[in-house]
Amino acid sequence: EVQLVESGGGLVQPGGSLRLSCAASGFTFSSYWMSWVRQAPGKGLEWVANIKQDGLEKYYVDSVKGRFTISRDNAKNSLYLQMNSLRVEDTAVYYCASPTFYYNGRGHGAFDYWGQGTLVTVSS
Amino acid sequence: DIQMTQSPSSLSASVGDRVAISCRASQSISVYLNWYQQKPGRAPKLLIYAASSLQSGVPSRFSGSGSGTDFTLTISGLQPEDFATYYCQQSDTTPTFGGGTKVEIK
Repeated sequence: EVQLVESGGGLVQPGGSLRLSCAASGFTFSSYWMSWVRQAPGKGLEWVANIKQDGLEKYYVDSVKGRFTISRDNAKNSLYLQMNSLRVEDTAVYYCASPTFYYNGRGHGAFDYWGQGTLVTVSS
Repeated sequence: DIQMTQSPSSLSASVGDRVAISCRASQSISVYLNWYQQKPGRAPKLLIYAASSLQSGVPSRFSGSGSGTDFTLTISGLQPEDFATYYCQQSDTTPTFGGGTKVEIK
């Protein structure tokens, strides 16, 4: 059974940092692009970042460029999101997700695997 | 960035109804359009990919159509478990999602 389990969320002050993790099991993690997608409370979905199988290509939504860093450790079947200079508007549930069968050369596709999400709250 | 606009933002329907949700892209995305269902407190679930391909395990009452800038998700014979929020997402470029359509019980 495929499982993506996020952790690391919590309450942080504006300007602070947080590192999210996503532990994968039940599929060949190293074979797939991985993404972070977030959802602010009561709002819609927003793609945040993705990373290629070998970690050498990464893409970000403009609003997090220079503040967030996506990374992965294929030996540990884990995905990470380092979030610095956090803002109130970064408050959201953060999901890790993967398009495993339908995606383009930049890893943008249909997300068929999702984690359960971890809540990040940025507030003073 | 490509903007995705869904309509309506919410609708009320009865079990057995046929429901159609529209999604419009700000520029042509060919058929790089996917549909998701999300229930409260849960992660989204992929229903349709490439505009009209049914994801494995998804009931055949769900169907998708369209190309270019205009797309439709249709639920033929709404079931109690279908009351949820539906999102479209383009995957032609950096992914963007529509604002969602909440399907409620009439």
